[in-house]
Amino acid sequence: DGGITQSPKYLFRKEGQNVTLSCEQNLNHDAMYWYRQDPGQGLRLIYYSQIVNDFQKGDIAEGYSVSREKKESFPLTVTSAQKNPTAFYLCASSIMASGNQPQHFGDGTRLSIL
Amino acid sequence: QKEVEQDPGPLSVPEGAIVSLNCTYSNSAFQYFMWYRQYSRKGPELLMYTYSSGNKEDGRFTAQVDKSSKYISLFIRDSQPSDSATYLCAMRGSARQLTFGSGTQLTVLP
Repeated sequence: DGGITQSPKYLFRKEGQNVTLSCEQNLNHDAMYWYRQDPGQGLRLIYYSQIVNDFQKGDIAEGYSVSREKKESFPLTVTSAQKNPTAFYLCASSIMASGNQPQHFGDGTRLSIL
Repeated sequence: QKEVEQDPGPLSVPEGAIVSLNCTYSNSAFQYFMWYRQYSRKGPELLMYTYSSGNKEDGRFTAQVDKSSKYISLFIRDSQPSDSATYLCAMRGSARQLTFGSGTQLTVLP
């Protein structure tokens, strides 16, 4: 089945710890995105990548880092610098990053602080 | 003021009702408009995608865009309990970034 796989579904972070969220897609899409969703708020863009070995900051990149070494993979690291990491994290992809290509989402990772 | 405003609800309707969900926006550069459905603990699923003004129909769903009023709507006919979810509007201009509404929580009562 073609789609976007995020893992794990639930993740707990201890104080001062970095954690990495996985996102893999087998849709052969060039562009990939990471969003954060908080209750009562819309999705906010953390980082996006248009092609391999390239990525751009979104609106709320502070405290996060990403890499794009392979087309199908776009992992997100939540660093200890992110003071309020508790949220639902969503990965998305699109054929290209241009305006007429809709984004498709994975089923998310819920991150909580221990 | 947010770029995209969406009434959070919650909205409850009886099964079979026509549902109207709406978003207003302030950025006149937006030209691509999307509606996503999100079930609890799941990722958003693309429902409708339209470009510029006009209507688009897909089964029980109709998306409407009025660029002159900066207003978009999603209509659901013959609503079903399985339509109970949060509905997110999203839009973009030439920039790569999508701007989302905060979502409307819909419950369809059997």
